[in-house]
Amino acid sequence: GEDVEQSLFLSVREGDSSVINCTYTDSSSTYLYWYKQEPGAGLQLLTYIFSNMDMKQDQRLTVLLNKKDKHLSLRIADTQTGDSAIYFCAELSSSNTGKLIFGQGTTLQVKP
Amino acid sequence: DAGVIQSPRHEVTEMGQEVTLRCKPISGHDYLFWYRQTMMRGLELLIYFNNNVPIDDSGMPEDRFSAKMPNASFSTLKIQPSEPRDSAVYFCASSFYGDPWETQYFGPGTRLLVL
Repeated sequence: GEDVEQSLFLSVREGDSSVINCTYTDSSSTYLYWYKQEPGAGLQLLTYIFSNMDMKQDQRLTVLLNKKDKHLSLRIADTQTGDSAIYFCAELSSSNTGKLIFGQGTTLQVKP
Repeated sequence: DAGVIQSPRHEVTEMGQEVTLRCKPISGHDYLFWYRQTMMRGLELLIYFNNNVPIDDSGMPEDRFSAKMPNASFSTLKIQPSEPRDSAVYFCASSFYGDPWETQYFGPGTRLLVL
């Protein structure tokens, strides 16, 4: 089946790096995503990675994909208090066009 | 574009009442999704439509829930009768098949409280 798992909570100090991890089950998935949800708001696409890539960097964000282990991670460099949010990992379903399979979300707490 | 529009933003109702949530997707998008978010269960996909046709409603909790999409620019999610356990944030999202990343754009959500 299709399933995405994440740890629920991460706490870091401002200025440190944050690493949020995710595992997925569908090896046929073509795209994997990170969405961010700020308090009181809907989810917003943060970044994505195509399944034939190992790494993608976008300013302070680095996405690493290990297809063998079906493991995805999001690294935020120089974490700021404004990065405090819930981060959702998602995979594009290979069996249902247009459908995303979301993880439970990881709450990132950034302490000043 | 104004993004995905949901109304109302907040709804407080009493158990047994009918609740109707509304969504206007982004113009030109052909997929529409309804999600529910709670602390206990996280983010759940309830139903999604493609070109106004329901594709997968396996996430709809029970017969009290129904969703319609009469045209490309409007969808409703109805709960009748409502129960306290339906209290949650309900999100609508839309996407466009031609988008290579199949990005889903979320609305701000409707916060429902059933007393």
